[in-house]
Amino acid sequence: AQSVTQLDSQVPVFEEAPVELRCNYSSSVSVYLFWYVQYPNQGLQLLLKYLSGSTLVKGINGFEAEFNKSQTSFHLRKPSVHISDTAEYFCAVSDRTGANNLFFGTGTRLTVIP
Amino acid sequence: DAGVIQSPRHEVTEMGQEVTLRCKPISGHDYLFWYRQTMMRGLELLIYFNNNVPIDDSGMPEDRFSAKMPNASFSTLKIQPSEPRDSAVYFCASSFRGGASIYGYTFGSGTRLTVV
Repeated sequence: AQSVTQLDSQVPVFEEAPVELRCNYSSSVSVYLFWYVQYPNQGLQLLLKYLSGSTLVKGINGFEAEFNKSQTSFHLRKPSVHISDTAEYFCAVSDRTGANNLFFGTGTRLTVIP
Repeated sequence: DAGVIQSPRHEVTEMGQEVTLRCKPISGHDYLFWYRQTMMRGLELLIYFNNNVPIDDSGMPEDRFSAKMPNASFSTLKIQPSEPRDSAVYFCASSFRGGASIYGYTFGSGTRLTVV
């Protein structure tokens, strides 16, 4: 089975500063990795995903993530955050065996301070 | 496409009452998932369907919870009787042909359930 650990439950950052949200996963098989964003009172939206190929993945709203197999990590980054990036961010993993299930981390609350 | 549609958006009910949450997946999606989100436990998968058939219901907390998918465009999650600890946001999500492994899921906006 897979599991996901998001090391930081809350991350405050000033507007226009860079941010990194950390995600580590555990799996005995190869995986696909995802980041979702949840704005207040909304459902989860897919931010980006890693399936194969380049380990640096670019998503919407200027976010990117890097897959590091040796460190089993998939950290999310943005070079300059905006107030509108304030949201909950979830890392998720699914395996490549065909089992159709996503395992979510507990989420990281990003708060952008003006 | 209007996306995954859930109703109602908010539900307040008294303990012991029956609650029914509804979901309309994206047309053409053949997987449907029900999740529960709480502060304490985060996102929990309750049950998922493939082609209207329940595949894994191991996340359903107890017999008070039941889910059905009578056709490809509609699913319900029922709690009977409801208890205060059932208070949470319930999300429905759908995907296409094993899409979680490739495309991820499309989530609805959720139903915020409060049991008093």
